[in-house]
Amino acid sequence: EVQLVESGGGLVQPGGSLRLSCAASGFTLSSNYMSWVRQAPGKGLEWVSVLSAGGTTISADSVKDRFTLSRDNSKNTLYLQMNSLNAEDTAVYYCARALVEFSGGFDIWGQGTVVTVSS
Amino acid sequence: DIQMTQSPSSVSASVGDSVTITCRASQGINNWVAWYQQKPGKAPKLLIYAASSLLSGVPSRFSGSGSGTDFTLTISSLQPEDFATYLCQQANTFPRGTFGGGTKVQIK
Repeated sequence: EVQLVESGGGLVQPGGSLRLSCAASGFTLSSNYMSWVRQAPGKGLEWVSVLSAGGTTISADSVKDRFTLSRDNSKNTLYLQMNSLNAEDTAVYYCARALVEFSGGFDIWGQGTVVTVSS
Repeated sequence: DIQMTQSPSSVSASVGDSVTITCRASQGINNWVAWYQQKPGKAPKLLIYAASSLLSGVPSRFSGSGSGTDFTLTISSLQPEDFATYLCQQANTFPRGTFGGGTKVQIK
């Protein structure tokens, strides 16, 4: 079965760090464009960052220089290292696969992991 | 950055009604527009890609259209399971993506 499973969310103090994981099954994560998308409470979706098959990362201005993407091909897992967290980073974080064949649409999503930044 | 302005923000409709949702891009884009359905506490589900292509398995009552700056999602003959929030996404700047603010389809 093709699926993504996120983990690593939790409560963190402002200025703190957290690392999210996204484990893929049923397909090879490193052959795809993999993104993180977040949703603040009661708000819409915000694209956060992408890691291409070739290893290029692009991030939204709101998280640039604070969030870093990486992957472990042996574990078929994507990571999001989040540093210098602030209240505006509080959200459900989803990892998702984007396919060129679907004109950049995200066809597979994880169930989401909740990040709460609060003192 | 390309912004996607979605309207209306909410709509009330009855089972069997037809509903049309619009997304307007802040500049002309290609047809790399996708539509998603999201239910409370769940991840979004891809319905339509390339503005008008229906993902396999999605009911044919969902349809998309548009070009340039204006794109629409139409749900004909609403079913009980269709009451949800719908979001558009542009991928003209792929692999970046920008989402619209969402439209909540509620039961009248």
